[in-house]
Amino acid sequence: SQQGEEDPQALSIQEGENATMNCSYKTSINNLQWYRQNSGRGLVHLILIRSNEREKHSGRLRVTLDTSKKSSSLLITASRAADTASYFCATDGGTGRRALTFGSGTRLQVQP
Amino acid sequence: NAGVTQTPKFQVLKTGQSMTLQCAQDMNHEYMSWYRQDPGMGLRLIHYSVGAGITDQGEVPNGYNVSRSTTEDFPLRLLSAAPSQTSVYFCASSPAGQGAYEQYFGPGTRLTVT
Repeated sequence: SQQGEEDPQALSIQEGENATMNCSYKTSINNLQWYRQNSGRGLVHLILIRSNEREKHSGRLRVTLDTSKKSSSLLITASRAADTASYFCATDGGTGRRALTFGSGTRLQVQP
Repeated sequence: NAGVTQTPKFQVLKTGQSMTLQCAQDMNHEYMSWYRQDPGMGLRLIHYSVGAGITDQGEVPNGYNVSRSTTEDFPLRLLSAAPSQTSVYFCASSPAGQGAYEQYFGPGTRLTVT
């Protein structure tokens, strides 16, 4: 079963617009991570937010976490064509173990 | 550093055949994991290891074996391939230590079982 579920499943925007993706999960967590996957490639870590944090920024990325609602969002500001990829949230299930449980992903298409 | 490497990149097997997917990392990471990704889905954990000589099952372990004799290598063995094992397989590693949760992924092995 998928611990996290992303919403929307697919998103198409114009270059320069902001993209928001949401993730819901089922169990308690120590941390939640977001990864990017370009077509046919492995996953690349983007950002990690701990369970005691509510918001985190990294460059054009902004992540929020609401543990009471078991949800997180990833905002990419001023999107670029190079941001076209699938984005996945992943959680540790509250165990702190390195092996993660991934959501089903959001496919982002940024039109130039 | 090469990071996490996986071989082969592509493989076609017939039902019932066995094979080993190779994974190696040169970052001296304690933690290593195997995931499979089916079309349009996220990754599902097959097996993971917290160090040499220690392995544990993940979410979908049936039909797969692993061993961890060295820190660097974490091979995944398919015992008797089935069409349901057609998937893309990713290996990942992560360092030990508090706060070091980022996983580093290999490029994947695309496996087709006919």
